[in-house]
Amino acid sequence: GDSVTQMEGPVTLSEEAFLTINCTYTATGYPSLFWYVQYPGEGLQLLLKATKADDKGSNKGFEATYRKETTSFHLEKGSVQVSDSAVYFCALSDQGAQKLVFGQGTRLTINP
Amino acid sequence: DTAVSQTPKYLVTQMGNDKSIKCEQNLGHDTMYWYKQDSKKFLKIMFSYNNKELIINETVPNRFSPKSPDKAHLNLHINSLELGDSAVYFCASSQDSGGNNEQFFGPGTRLTVL
Repeated sequence: GDSVTQMEGPVTLSEEAFLTINCTYTATGYPSLFWYVQYPGEGLQLLLKATKADDKGSNKGFEATYRKETTSFHLEKGSVQVSDSAVYFCALSDQGAQKLVFGQGTRLTINP
Repeated sequence: DTAVSQTPKYLVTQMGNDKSIKCEQNLGHDTMYWYKQDSKKFLKIMFSYNNKELIINETVPNRFSPKSPDKAHLNLHINSLELGDSAVYFCASSQDSGGNNEQFFGPGTRLTVL
């Protein structure tokens, strides 16, 4: 079945550092790929998405590129802020399956 | 103006009890979902409804019974609660059940079974 694997957390960085959170997936079809973010005590919010190979999703300084050849969708940000501290989830949605399959989440803490 | 709301936010109860969690969305979406997030933050879909019809049931024990009285509401009733049911339950909605659509999540209901 479909699955998503994210890098193990927690990840702790200093403010203004460069961020990469790795995400790889396994899917039988041609999924859409998503990054969701969960701030403390809140529900998940969509951060960005990409619906086909080589698409780049971007939002709030975060970017991720849909790489079909490496089945990856790594999240990057050039300069993180304390307010980026949250749990980040990579997810896929296979058109046929009509549901989101999530990775295990990566907790990110940014220190001032 | 809350898009997806859930009640209650916290629920503490004894093993064996029956409880319900309510969810409402005011986005005019056709599809609603229930997810369970365990203590390690792992998030897994439980159910999905499209226009009040069940479309996904992910091998959830039949102690869990979702009900959708209309497409803006999806409630979750749990019978004979067990310790392992302790988790955060998230409701979500999307425009339809297509795979490209963003899902909008509620704030979650933290269920603790003692």
